[in-house]
Amino acid sequence: EPEVTQTPSHQVTQMGQEVILRCVPISNHLYFYWYRQILGQKVEFLVSFYNNEISEKSEIFDDQFSVERPDGSNFTLKIRSTKLEDSAMYFCAIVFEDRSYNEQFFGPGTRLTVL
Amino acid sequence: QKEVEQNSGPLSVPEGAIASLNCTYSDRVSQSFFWYRQYSGKSPELIMSIYSNGDKEDGRFTAQLNKASQYVSLLIRDSQPSDSATYLCAGYQAGTALIFGKGTTLSVSS
Repeated sequence: EPEVTQTPSHQVTQMGQEVILRCVPISNHLYFYWYRQILGQKVEFLVSFYNNEISEKSEIFDDQFSVERPDGSNFTLKIRSTKLEDSAMYFCAIVFEDRSYNEQFFGPGTRLTVL
Repeated sequence: QKEVEQNSGPLSVPEGAIASLNCTYSDRVSQSFFWYRQYSGKSPELIMSIYSNGDKEDGRFTAQLNKASQYVSLLIRDSQPSDSATYLCAGYQAGTALIFGKGTTLSVSS
């Protein structure tokens, strides 16, 4: 199965601080996605990214959020000024070029805790 | 109707039994569906994908899709305690976003 790594595994931050979450796919990729899951709730789509630009974003993905590929391989999610309600698991997901049917494979996630 | 709906459970089955997990979807969700398994504190793990009406089998897992009824199911045969997890049903909205149900918690007792 294709591998995706995410760093850090756990991030604790103070409200109002900026955080950057990173995703690194091991193999060829087609689309990048970010999802979040608040404890006890369902997985929610944030944004998809294709050819170095945002393909689609949800209502959750407001001006506090941004995504980029700073070095052509890493894929980052930045939250500019964190709020308590941003505490959640954040998952990166990938669709790979050599896989069919747009199957999305998830990374292990980053647990973000905002104090 | 919510876009993807699942019974939250818990669904409890004895070891060796068949576990049946169900999911319904609205018109806003496309005809490609996926089943993910999520252990507590872990990320979703893709176990099955289905795009055509009918059944698709992979080992102990069988996914079933009925487009007329807007219904997707997952059968797990010979359930094992290691199958105890939350099972997420997901489909594509128009576009690139996967829409998830809340998940069904499965508990397999030995």
